[in-house]
Amino acid sequence: DVKVTQSSRYLVKRTGEKVFLECVQDMDHENMFWYRQDPGLGLRLIYFSYDVKMKEKGDIPEGYSVSREKKERFSLILESASTNQTSMYLCASGWLAKNIQYFGAGTRLSVL
Amino acid sequence: DQQVKQNSPSLSVQEGRISILNCDYTNSMFDYFLWYKKYPAEGPTFLISISSIKDKNEDGRFTVFLNKSAKHLSLHIVPSQPGDSAVYFCAASENFGNEKLTFGTGTRLTIIP
Repeated sequence: DVKVTQSSRYLVKRTGEKVFLECVQDMDHENMFWYRQDPGLGLRLIYFSYDVKMKEKGDIPEGYSVSREKKERFSLILESASTNQTSMYLCASGWLAKNIQYFGAGTRLSVL
Repeated sequence: DQQVKQNSPSLSVQEGRISILNCDYTNSMFDYFLWYKKYPAEGPTFLISISSIKDKNEDGRFTVFLNKSAKHLSLHIVPSQPGDSAVYFCAASENFGNEKLTFGTGTRLTIIP
């Protein structure tokens, strides 16, 4: 079974803090993705990566950055957290040239 | 600009009946479509997909229909079971093998025993 693991289920941070969300997959997938899920807005793509050290902006990259130093690990970074970044964050992975993505359980981030 | 829309935020269906979830899209470049199911406290899981060269794809109790001219797809679940209660997301990509997916807003399906 494909396993995508997000390091934290719940996080509470203060405005202005630097926040790291970690994601690890164990299927040797080339592609990894970060989404946020908000009520009434569905899943929106923040960043994705096709390969190590490679990244592409998604639909809502502002306020976020990412890091992929190893194939299995994809980190989402909030440089200076703001209250409008309170959300559910979902990581996903998948094979190159395949549409199906496999998701982690999510990290619910609250920025106070 | 929401390119994939699920206009019904919620739907309640009696157990044993058919559930029909709808999805509309505006981007004519989309040609591969997927449905995902999400339980609370879990990530979405892939359910079924369809390519634009087909108008129907079936997998057990789940059938997806695609109407390209109307830019509309639907997911039929029959018969509906209590374990089908979840949030359902449709997603689309611009071609098969393009890994970037655009998701809809989701429909919460509740199956009433």
